[in-house]
Amino acid sequence: DAGVTQSPTHLIKTRGQHVTLRCSPISGHKSVSWYQQVLGQGPQFIFQYYEKEERGRGNFPDRFSARQFPNYSSELNVNALLLGDSALYLCASTDRKNIQYFGAGTRLSVL
Amino acid sequence: EDQVTQSPEALRLQEGESSSLNCSYTVSGLRGLFWYRQDPGKGPEFLFTLYSAGEEKEKERLKATLTKKESFLHITAPKPEDSATYLCAVQALETSGSRLTFGEGTQLTVNP
Repeated sequence: DAGVTQSPTHLIKTRGQHVTLRCSPISGHKSVSWYQQVLGQGPQFIFQYYEKEERGRGNFPDRFSARQFPNYSSELNVNALLLGDSALYLCASTDRKNIQYFGAGTRLSVL
Repeated sequence: EDQVTQSPEALRLQEGESSSLNCSYTVSGLRGLFWYRQDPGKGPEFLFTLYSAGEEKEKERLKATLTKKESFLHITAPKPEDSATYLCAVQALETSGSRLTFGEGTQLTVNP
């Protein structure tokens, strides 16, 4: 079975630009969460969506937004990129036992 | 605010040298404590979930235990392939949804 898939794998942007990251959950999982992981730190929660509705939001500015589609895939959007947004962005889907399974992430570099 | 502190930050072991990683947590009510393994450039890989004090789980050379304030990940006779960053995370009872609060991880290196 396919795991959580994220695209693109790597991305380079400049300050002020906008970026869209995509995630497809494991088949049968209806919940998707997004995390930001800065080098050397643990992942920080950004958003969770379940059945297309937002179920949780972490302490991130309004420049960060997300949505979930009818097929349970999800997009994370970040506007007006800052240097500090450079990080590994992780997507996780949750099974019925409440265990989160992570994708390989999108490495975003902001120059 | 939920908090997770992991120690040590880094640990070097010789192959076969057993040791333990610590995860101390503060949470208003614990729904679950999770251990993940993360290899460089990859996403975290699920290892264990623990729900109540006294609970233990094992998988190959790894054993996770839980008390009311901390969790330990015991590594018995480690091999070089056990080298990775080990992440601990908590989920609070009051959380709507499945938000995880992670520690900063312990980077384990096992030398042959």
